[in-house]
Amino acid sequence: DADVTQTPRNRITKTGKRIMLECSQTKGHDRMYWYRQDPGLGLQLIYYSFDVKDINKGEISDGYSVSRQAQAKFSLSLESAIPNQTALYFCATSTATGAGYTFGSGTRLTVV
Amino acid sequence: DAKTTQPNSMESNEEEPVHLPCNHSTISGTDYIHWYRQLPSQGPEYVIHGLTSNVNNRMASLAIAEDRKSSTLILHRATLRDAAVYYCILPRDNYGQNFVFGPGTRLSVLP
Repeated sequence: DADVTQTPRNRITKTGKRIMLECSQTKGHDRMYWYRQDPGLGLQLIYYSFDVKDINKGEISDGYSVSRQAQAKFSLSLESAIPNQTALYFCATSTATGAGYTFGSGTRLTVV
Repeated sequence: DAKTTQPNSMESNEEEPVHLPCNHSTISGTDYIHWYRQLPSQGPEYVIHGLTSNVNNRMASLAIAEDRKSSTLILHRATLRDAAVYYCILPRDNYGQNFVFGPGTRLSVLP
C-alpha cells in the first residue's frame, strides 16, 4: 500500500457542485499539505496542517476548505466547484524536521 | 520568500552525467536546499537536500557553492527513467517547511 493515498484518482464534476478530495497516510507524519498543479506549472500550496488542531492557509486558499479529521487524514473540499479549479491535486506529508515530503499520486479533477 | 531560478529545460544523453543548476541568491543562512523530481503522471519525490556541504545519496549528488547562492544537482549516469521535472526548492516560511515549487527544469534523456 502507498504511504500517502489519495481518493479519488480521477473525478469529473459539474460547476457549482461540492466535492471532497481525501488523503490518508501511514507515514505517521504530523504535517500534511494540499497542493494544486496546473499543466506545465509548478505546485501551489492550498492549505497545510501541522497537527490535528492546526490549519493554515497557503498561497491559493480561496474557494477551498480543509478538514483534518485525524493525524492520518486530511481532506480538501471545493464548496462550489468552478472550471478554473480544474487541475491536478496533490496531498503531501512531512515530519517536523524538514527532512522531506512524501507525496500522494494525485487526484485529477475536471470541473465542467 | 527566498526564490530559486532554474533553466526551463535540459537534455542529456543516456549514461552521461547531468548537471542541473539552481540559483538562490536570496537564501538565508539557515535554509536547507531541497531537490525533488516529478516523473510523468506521478507526484513529486524527494531526491536530496543539503545546507552547506556537498551531499551524496544513492540517487544523486548535491554540490553547494561556497557562498550558498547556487547549487547543482548531479546525476552521475542519466538513464531514461531519470526523465522528469526537477525542482530546486527553498523553504517558504520561518518554520523551514513550506515549500514553493516553481516550474522546475524539465530533463529529457536521449537514448
